[in-house]
Amino acid sequence: DQQVKQNSPSLSVQEGRISILNCDYTNSMFDYFLWYKKYPAEGPTFLISISSIKDKNEDGRFTVFLNKSAKHLSLHIVPSQPGDSAVYFCAASDETGANNLFFGTGTRLTVIP
Amino acid sequence: NAGVTQTPKFQVLKTGQSMTLQCAQDMNHNSMYWYRQDPGMGLRLIYYSASEGTTDKGEVPNGYNVSRLNKREFSLRLESAAPSQTSVYFCASSATHYTNYGYTFGSGTRLTVV
Repeated sequence: DQQVKQNSPSLSVQEGRISILNCDYTNSMFDYFLWYKKYPAEGPTFLISISSIKDKNEDGRFTVFLNKSAKHLSLHIVPSQPGDSAVYFCAASDETGANNLFFGTGTRLTVIP
Repeated sequence: NAGVTQTPKFQVLKTGQSMTLQCAQDMNHNSMYWYRQDPGMGLRLIYYSASEGTTDKGEVPNGYNVSRLNKREFSLRLESAAPSQTSVYFCASSATHYTNYGYTFGSGTRLTVV
């Protein structure tokens, strides 16, 4: 059973606008969350993370928001650029347990110039 | 600045054949991982090695074996390949087995079992 879910397989956004990618999780023991970005024929690359003790983390154009009560997190990209076009994976771990990463199914973002 | 190197990049196997996927990292990382990526399933952990000398099962270990040969190298073996093992395999490493350091992934091995 998928513990981390990304319900939108794809998203298209105009260049310069905001991209919002969503992720939901079911395991209440998850306490660390990450976003990875993947280009075709490459491995995923780490983008940004957030600990469960925070509700927001920002790094340049990328901001991750965490709503623990709703078991929901989102990645905001502002402004979106054509180079942001990629597949984005949400991931979560329980750092008090086995500490393995569980990944969502990914959302393909297309930024239209 | 190689990071994580996987070989081969592509492989076609017949059902029942065996093969070993190789992975090496040059970042002096302690922990290494093997994932598989299937359409609609995200990345799923097959096996991991939290530190040199240890290996543990992940979510989907059946049909696979691993060897942590040394600190740099972590191989994945398919003893008798099955069509269900057709997938893209990613090796990853991290400084420690704490995910707040993030993982560094290789570029993947695309395996087809016919």
